[in-house]
Amino acid sequence: KNEVEQSPQNLTAQEGEFITINCSYSVGISALHWLQQHPGGGIVSLFMLSSGKKKHGRLIATINIQEKHSSLHITASHPRDSAVYICAALRSGGGADGLTFGKGTHLIIQP
Amino acid sequence: ETGVTQSPTHLIKTRGQQVTLRCSSQSGHNTVSWYQQALGQGPQFIFQYYREEENGRGNFPPRFSGLQFPNYSSELNVNALELDDSALYLCASSPPSGETQYFGPGTRLLVL
Repeated sequence: KNEVEQSPQNLTAQEGEFITINCSYSVGISALHWLQQHPGGGIVSLFMLSSGKKKHGRLIATINIQEKHSSLHITASHPRDSAVYICAALRSGGGADGLTFGKGTHLIIQP
Repeated sequence: ETGVTQSPTHLIKTRGQQVTLRCSSQSGHNTVSWYQQALGQGPQFIFQYYREEENGRGNFPPRFSGLQFPNYSSELNVNALELDDSALYLCASSPPSGETQYFGPGTRLLVL
């Protein structure tokens, strides 16, 4: 079992729909990242969360530390939101372990 | 302020060869992490450099090595290339303060 699990793996929706992508993790973390990766590879950091909720434009990220679960929501989705969304955990307890990544959710928004 | 840059963007090598990938970190960032992303998979942590020293390592063999220079730029070297080394190699830099990592565009390596 991966330490960071995402669901769904693939998601196709119509423009305007409300999108939710889920991430569960099994390790202690100091922070959780949500990242966006477009075709061609470049990764953009969307959010870094250690508690609560963050909002940026149409994107909202929440985290429940007790349940070890985070969600990324996209409101009023648009075709330009089509990308792979990846959650990545930064382990707690010090040490330089880098980020542990989920496998990503491939999102397609159809016009 | 320039972001994280990587070179080359694409590279084709043959099995057994050696490769060097380069990363220039964002200004003011003293930590660089390298990741390997196989097709259809999430990135996997290779190692991290902090102030020119290796500061942590993932589950990669010794033929994956690195360097960090006084200006905090970094190299990833892979010896004795194998077909399974074909992947996107990402570097990410982070500032002294914190945990946020800023990713470069990646180098896509194909081993034939």
